Amino acid sequence: DTAVSQTPKYLVTQMGNDKSIKCEQNLGHDTMYWYKQDSKKFLKIMFSYNNKELIINETVPNRFSPKSPDKAHLNLHINSLELGDSAVYFCASSQDLGMGVNSPLHFGNGTRLTVT
Amino acid sequence: SQQGEEDPQALSIQEGENATMNCSYKTSINNLQWYRQNSGRGLVHLILIRSNEREKHSGRLRVTLDTSKKSSSLLITASRAADTASYFCATDVGQFYFGTGTSLTVIP
Repeated sequence: DTAVSQTPKYLVTQMGNDKSIKCEQNLGHDTMYWYKQDSKKFLKIMFSYNNKELIINETVPNRFSPKSPDKAHLNLHINSLELGDSAVYFCASSQDLGMGVNSPLHFGNGTRLTVT
Repeated sequence: SQQGEEDPQALSIQEGENATMNCSYKTSINNLQWYRQNSGRGLVHLILIRSNEREKHSGRLRVTLDTSKKSSSLLITASRAADTASYFCATDVGQFYFGTGTSLTVIP
């Protein structure tokens, strides 16, 4: 069973559209994250949620809105897509907020978003 | 910026050789972790080293941490073609910060 699953795997859309990426984890973790990986492989944290509450919002445009209906899900909705939004978006989860001895990040396999 | 920065950006070695990757960071940390990313996949946790530890081993992996130099190294011994991947360090300052990774190619 996939621990952290995100859909879709690929997303191609035009500028100005609105799209969503879904993420689910079956690890029972308390904290979930969204990361953006650019073409140079730089991985930047966007959001983190702990028990459905927003903890971190790292200077992300307000066109990006995370939604956590429950502890196991963290979806990412993007409005008015721009060319610069093209990247791979990763969902991740951990048992605790931040790093600890037993809290490595578990990543999904990513969603490659291409905005044309 | 607080993210770790890996060096070299790319490394190509023959199967059986050892691979060493370095990570430098800028601020005091709680822990440092190393992750592997295979092409088209998410990152997978490899090993964690705490700020009060200097060296840690896991199978063919050896990680060192020098907090005075704000640097860490990951050594993969007796490399295999399956080790071909990108390797990232992640620093913990209350949240995770990653760099751009080292792309390792192991030639069979």
